[in-house]
Amino acid sequence: DGGITQSPKYLFRKEGQNVTLSCEQNLNHDAMYWYRQDPGQGLRLIYYSQIVNDFQKGDIAEGYSVSREKKESFPLTVTSAQKNPTAFYLCASKPSGRTYEQYFGPGTRLTVT
Amino acid sequence: QQQVKQSPQSLIVQKGGISIINCAYENTAFDYFPWYQQFPGKGPALLIAIRPDVSEKKEGRFTISFNKSAKQFSLHIMDSQPGDSATYFCAASWARRGAQKLVFGQGTRLTINP
Repeated sequence: DGGITQSPKYLFRKEGQNVTLSCEQNLNHDAMYWYRQDPGQGLRLIYYSQIVNDFQKGDIAEGYSVSREKKESFPLTVTSAQKNPTAFYLCASKPSGRTYEQYFGPGTRLTVT
Repeated sequence: QQQVKQSPQSLIVQKGGISIINCAYENTAFDYFPWYQQFPGKGPALLIAIRPDVSEKKEGRFTISFNKSAKQFSLHIMDSQPGDSATYFCAASWARRGAQKLVFGQGTRLTINP
């Protein structure tokens, strides 16, 4: 099956710990994105990457870090510097060229206590 | 300028009725306006989208109406069904340095009563 996988579906961490969320795609898409979803706030862009070894900050990058060492993988690390890390995290990808549709993964719900 | 404002926040419609969700934007550089549908615990999926040079697009029971002068667009769901109960997000696309980004509205939780 082609698509985007995010693991795990649910993740629990103690405050002060860093945690890494996985995002893998086999769609051969160049661009990948990380969004955060909170109730009543829609989706907000954390980081995005257009090509391997390159990524850019989105609107709410503080307290997060990413890497893009492989085309198919774009992991997101939620660091202890993120003040309100509990949220639903969504990964998306998009093919290169003048296309517009972003394809979303199933999401990871992170709970930090 | 990069915001998209969506209303209402929640909507309850009877089965067979018309569901209408509205969005407004400010940035005239937006060049693509998609609507995403999201079921609980799932990622959003593209439902329908429109370019700003078109005033209306229809796909089955779903129609986007686009008013470029007013900077508004809306989603109409005809003959609404219980299976349409989901959260709907409007979005707007813009490109910067060759990278396409989406700005999302706040979402509308739609409930279709049987």
